[in-house]
Amino acid sequence: AQSVTQLDSQVPVFEEAPVELRCNYSSSVSVYLFWYVQYPNQGLQLLLKYLSGSTLVKGINGFEAEFNKSQTSFHLRKPSVHISDTAEYFCAVSSGGSYIPTFGRGTSLIVHP
Amino acid sequence: NAGVTQTPKFRILKIGQSMTLQCAQDMNHNYMYWYRQDPGMGLKLIYYSVGAGITDKGEVPNGYNVSRSTTEDFPLRLELAAPSQTSVYFCASRGQTNTGELFFGEGSRLTVL
Repeated sequence: AQSVTQLDSQVPVFEEAPVELRCNYSSSVSVYLFWYVQYPNQGLQLLLKYLSGSTLVKGINGFEAEFNKSQTSFHLRKPSVHISDTAEYFCAVSSGGSYIPTFGRGTSLIVHP
Repeated sequence: NAGVTQTPKFRILKIGQSMTLQCAQDMNHNYMYWYRQDPGMGLKLIYYSVGAGITDKGEVPNGYNVSRSTTEDFPLRLELAAPSQTSVYFCASRGQTNTGELFFGEGSRLTVL
């Protein structure tokens, strides 16, 4: 079985500050990890994904995430956030032969001016 | 590219009414999914399909039905609407491999009064 835990339901931060959104997963087999972003009143869109290889993955809009197998984590980071980054962020995992990804509950990133 | 198209975007139903949420994708994807999103609860899988003619239940299928007569279309039917079905519904699709991202529609906001 696979599961995802997003440790923070809401993360407030000031503009131009760094941010980290935390994601931990559990799975007994190899995993593929994803971060999606949902802007207000829109569907989800892919930010980045980890399939294999380098543990540091770069995505769109200056975001990056690091896969840590020993800590079963896939935290999302951005060194300097903008007001436009205000959105809901979802971590997701697909493991082994599963074609049903499991999503976390989401983290609301709120960027203040 | 249209991607995943959902209709309607908004709908208000009375208790006991029925309706169908439409979903179409033009990417020739085999896998299609229906999720509901409730505040703070993330995405919950209602039904999914691995190809035309094949559907299966997800985590929260009660009160819903689906069909998949073509690769492109995956409608979600609500029978006897209840207030508990007030939610935002997302349709998504994915290509053949489980390393691929999900492509989401923009959502259908349903209110049952």
